[in-house]
Amino acid sequence: DSGVTQTPKHLITATGQRVTLRCSPRSGDLSVYWYQQSLDQGLQFLIQYYNGEERAKGNILERFSAQQFPDLHSELNLSSLELGDSALYFCASSAPIAGLLIDEQFFGPGTRLTVL
Amino acid sequence: KNQVEQSPQSLIILEGKNCTLQCNYTVSPFSNLRWYKQDTGRGPVSLTIMTFSENTKSNGRYTATLDADTKQSSLHITASQLSDSASYICVVSGAYGQNFVFGPGTRLSVLP
Repeated sequence: DSGVTQTPKHLITATGQRVTLRCSPRSGDLSVYWYQQSLDQGLQFLIQYYNGEERAKGNILERFSAQQFPDLHSELNLSSLELGDSALYFCASSAPIAGLLIDEQFFGPGTRLTVL
Repeated sequence: KNQVEQSPQSLIILEGKNCTLQCNYTVSPFSNLRWYKQDTGRGPVSLTIMTFSENTKSNGRYTATLDADTKQSSLHITASQLSDSASYICVVSGAYGQNFVFGPGTRLSVLP
């Protein structure tokens, strides 16, 4: 158990709908990352937040948005859903590695989104 | 274009045998390279993280190597166990540790 929690575990919805995925980072971790993993694309980095501020952006569609709240939990909002948005969505939080200017990431169990 | 390639795409070995997985990347500038293990339907778990100044790093039966000049990395698994069956993903980070580029993964199956 990484200490990162994600809800819900599974989500089934229809095209055109909007959903919100939630992530709670490990206690003390300030950074939250969101990733998408689909069968034909592998893992893709979407966006990173650090202490409430957007830090880095990857291949995140304009229909998707995220935010990190003062209590450090984060939400990923997906709107105007398409069949191709069906995927596993992972959240990760990170902690600095001693002596290095990089973080180690700890992944949550993921939310499986199915768009019908 | 920043890319990470992994080979082989899949691998089947017998329990107790060793194996080596390959990762080639074109990400530039380079910050660090990570290997993750991902069981089916679960989140990835970090195995090793290496910066450009590191050539090798071990984590139990897992040993990763990095050649920043040729932009190649390998993950060697010693004395494989059934629990090693998983996907192994190579991830390269660009400047300031951002711009994460994921490889497609190698699917390893360890048979008894």
